[in-house]
Amino acid sequence: QKEVEQNSGPLSVPEGAIASLNCTYSDRGSQSFFWYRQYSGKSPELIMFIYSNGDKEDGRFTAQLNKASQYVSLLIRDSQPSDSATYLCAVTDSGGGADGLTFGKGTHLIIQP
Amino acid sequence: DTEVTQTPKHLVMGMTNKKSLKCEQHMGHRAMYWYKQKAKKPPELMFVYSYEKLSINESVPSRFSPECPNSSLLNLHLHALQPEDSALYLCASSQVRAFGDTQYFGPGTRLTVL
Repeated sequence: QKEVEQNSGPLSVPEGAIASLNCTYSDRGSQSFFWYRQYSGKSPELIMFIYSNGDKEDGRFTAQLNKASQYVSLLIRDSQPSDSATYLCAVTDSGGGADGLTFGKGTHLIIQP
Repeated sequence: DTEVTQTPKHLVMGMTNKKSLKCEQHMGHRAMYWYKQKAKKPPELMFVYSYEKLSINESVPSRFSPECPNSSLLNLHLHALQPEDSALYLCASSQVRAFGDTQYFGPGTRLTVL
């Protein structure tokens, strides 16, 4: 049974600061890791994916993966009020076939103006 | 273009009704997915179609019946649902890649069972 753990929050961060979101996963066979953002009443929207150890940057977002520690994180630099949402960490163990996402419960992020 | 469309946006049905949810993508993706999301919970996988064949069924009750008529379309047929089946039903699609097989979600159908 794959498990993905996230602190549900709320995590409150001042505007312009760095928001740090964390996620751990139980299945060492997990291959790919995703961060989705979900606004209330809307569907999940992809922020980033990562599958190699280390950092991956895309604009204000940086994803970090440490497979030895089974840990994934998302950093949001220069946080904006529009970043206020629930952030879902998700994993798959796809080795070439389609595989469903296993989601964490999500972290509710609040950016304070 | 990363658009997945779903119809209807909202659906209210009685426990004796039969209805269908529809999902469409034109990104050439070869896998399509159904998820169910209850309020303040993460999405939960229901079904996976890969190359138009059902590859994963997460022990979903038979009152939910998926169908994949072709690589662009995915349906979810609903029959004799229970009030606890009320939720946001999300469709997603992906290319089928070994790593970073990103799933793109549609806007969802909000289902209410009376």
